[in-house]
Amino acid sequence: AQSVTQLDSQVPVFEEAPVELRCNYSSSVSVYLFWYVQYPNQGLQLLLKYLSGSTLVKGINGFEAEFNKSQTSFHLRKPSVHISDTAEYFCAVNKGSNYQLIWGAGTKLIIKP
Amino acid sequence: KAGVTQTPRYLIKTRGQQVTLSCSPISGHRSVSWYQQTPGQGLQFLFEYFSETQRNKGNFPGRFSGRQFSNSRSEMNVSTLELGDSALYLCASRTGLGRDTQYFGPGTRLTVL
Repeated sequence: AQSVTQLDSQVPVFEEAPVELRCNYSSSVSVYLFWYVQYPNQGLQLLLKYLSGSTLVKGINGFEAEFNKSQTSFHLRKPSVHISDTAEYFCAVNKGSNYQLIWGAGTKLIIKP
Repeated sequence: KAGVTQTPRYLIKTRGQQVTLSCSPISGHRSVSWYQQTPGQGLQFLFEYFSETQRNKGNFPGRFSGRQFSNSRSEMNVSTLELGDSALYLCASRTGLGRDTQYFGPGTRLTVL
């Protein structure tokens, strides 16, 4: 069975510092991977996705993620965060042939001024 | 193109009542999925409808039900509300063909008193 682990429930970081949000998945088959962001009191917005091809995926708002098959990871990175990046970030992976998403528990990104 | 819309945005009900939530998908999308989001359990998949048929179902009691209309709009019903049903209910739409991306609505915040 597929599962997604987001290792950090919260990540505090100073404004303009780089950040990495970690995501590991378990799967015995090829996967599609997603990062979504949820701003306070809002729904989820797609940040980026990996379907195939280049393992480095660029998304919106300056975020990028790297698919690492050998380490079964899909970590999200941003070189310089802004206060507006304060949100909760969710990693998700496709499940099987019915394309359901399996979700991580989320990581809250806290930007310190 | 208009995004996914959900109505109402906020609801307050009392235990034992029932509630109906509505979701209008992006034009051309035939798949609608429903999720429950709570601080304790995170994002949990309720069910998915495609072309008026329930295609997948999560692990929720029968009090949770849904339907989809010929125009792809979907409704979710919860009967005999319990305090634990207080949550943000998110709807997501996609074309439903292959491993395409889910797009989320802003959610309906349900509070059960």
